[in-house]
Amino acid sequence: SQTIHQWPATLVQPVGSPLSLECTVEGTSNPNLYWYRQAAGRGLQLLFYSVGIGQISSEVPQNLSASRPQDRQFILSSKKLLLSDSGFYLCAWSGWGSGEQYFGPGTRLTVT
Amino acid sequence: SQQGEEDPQALSIQEGENATMNCSYKTSINNLQWYRQNSGRGLVHLILIRSNEREKHSGRLRVTLDTSKKSSSLLITASRAADTASYFCATDPDSGAGSYQLTFGKGTKLSVIP
Repeated sequence: SQTIHQWPATLVQPVGSPLSLECTVEGTSNPNLYWYRQAAGRGLQLLFYSVGIGQISSEVPQNLSASRPQDRQFILSSKKLLLSDSGFYLCAWSGWGSGEQYFGPGTRLTVT
Repeated sequence: SQQGEEDPQALSIQEGENATMNCSYKTSINNLQWYRQNSGRGLVHLILIRSNEREKHSGRLRVTLDTSKKSSSLLITASRAADTASYFCATDPDSGAGSYQLTFGKGTKLSVIP
């Protein structure tokens, strides 16, 4: 069966510090991968998606970047965090030709 | 931009009652999906209904889709306290370029009181 992991679960970082969030998927090959951000009490905002290694599409211009160095690994990064980067970050995957997305447990990021 | 909009924003019912949530969207879609999110957790996929389907069932869940009105509803029958969660609709646009991007609404927060 497929599983998706995210870490860390929670993170408190000062403004201006770097960020690296990691997501890995097990039990499937060549998944589509997604990064979302969810502000408190709000819906999900798609940040990045990837259909293959090294292929990243950005949906929202921002202080963040994403990379996919391996087939089942998706990384969300920032060189310098802003207060507005605080939120709940969710990674998800979907199979080719499949509409359903499967989410990881999320990372709660607080920028102070 | 927000494609799906759920209604109501919050719903409180007694255990055993039925809960109905609605979703409206703006553009053509390939499919519409419903997800559940327990507080502080990731989303869980509940059900997918394709644009050529009108109704779909899964256990205690019933989803309807009216493409002419661009709306969908999620009915949870015989609710349980464990159904307490936020429910989101997500639309998969009919862009013709491959479907990779779901657009989520802001969700309906359901509270089931024991």
